[in-house]
Amino acid sequence: GENVEQHPSTLSVQEGDSAVIKCTYSDSASNYFPWYKQELGKRPQLIIDIRSNVGEKKDQRIAVTLNKTAKHFSLHITETQPEDSAVYFCAASRGAGGGSNYKLTFGKGTLLTVNP
Amino acid sequence: SQTIHQWPATLVQPVGSPLSLECTVEGTSNPNLYWYRQAAGRGLQLLFYSVGIGQISSEVPQNLSASRPQDRQFILSSKKLLLSDSGFYLCAWSPRPTSGSNPYEQYFGPGTRLTVT
Repeated sequence: GENVEQHPSTLSVQEGDSAVIKCTYSDSASNYFPWYKQELGKRPQLIIDIRSNVGEKKDQRIAVTLNKTAKHFSLHITETQPEDSAVYFCAASRGAGGGSNYKLTFGKGTLLTVNP
Repeated sequence: SQTIHQWPATLVQPVGSPLSLECTVEGTSNPNLYWYRQAAGRGLQLLFYSVGIGQISSEVPQNLSASRPQDRQFILSSKKLLLSDSGFYLCAWSPRPTSGSNPYEQYFGPGTRLTVT
């Protein structure tokens, strides 16, 4: 099955700096890569996603890049703010292929702390 | 709009006692449903998923079971809890591929924090 590795496990940055979180996946059939944000005590929520036919996607201060050949993808947050502090999860899915039924395999998460 | 409910929000149970956690979804039909466990405030481990009534797939061998008695109801159960069952349990749903919405996107419930003592 799919295996998703996420690094770093913790990341501390100063407000205004950029933050980068990286993930690798093992299943070359995976075609969808979302990022979820979980604030303390709350539920995970989707913040951005990318499909395998796209190399980069941007939404205001966040962007995701995908390298299919190397099987890795990254989340980039620019001009970080204290409210960006949360746990971020990457995930991968192969969609309906191989009986996967659109399941997501999550990385173990990155605790991002943005210091004012 | 769609909403997802979980109850109870918190639960403290002794070792060896039974467990029943409930998840219901409103505002959508025939969703895919998922149970996750989140230990130590971090990784999301998929426990079970369901593509329809009575259809349950188990992802990891464990002390838990799941059932889907109705289209929008998903229940997580155990006959005898272990200390290792403690954690934050999240239910999630995603639209069916035929709905026209993104079938990959999962929407999480508020979770149940279970402490086994």
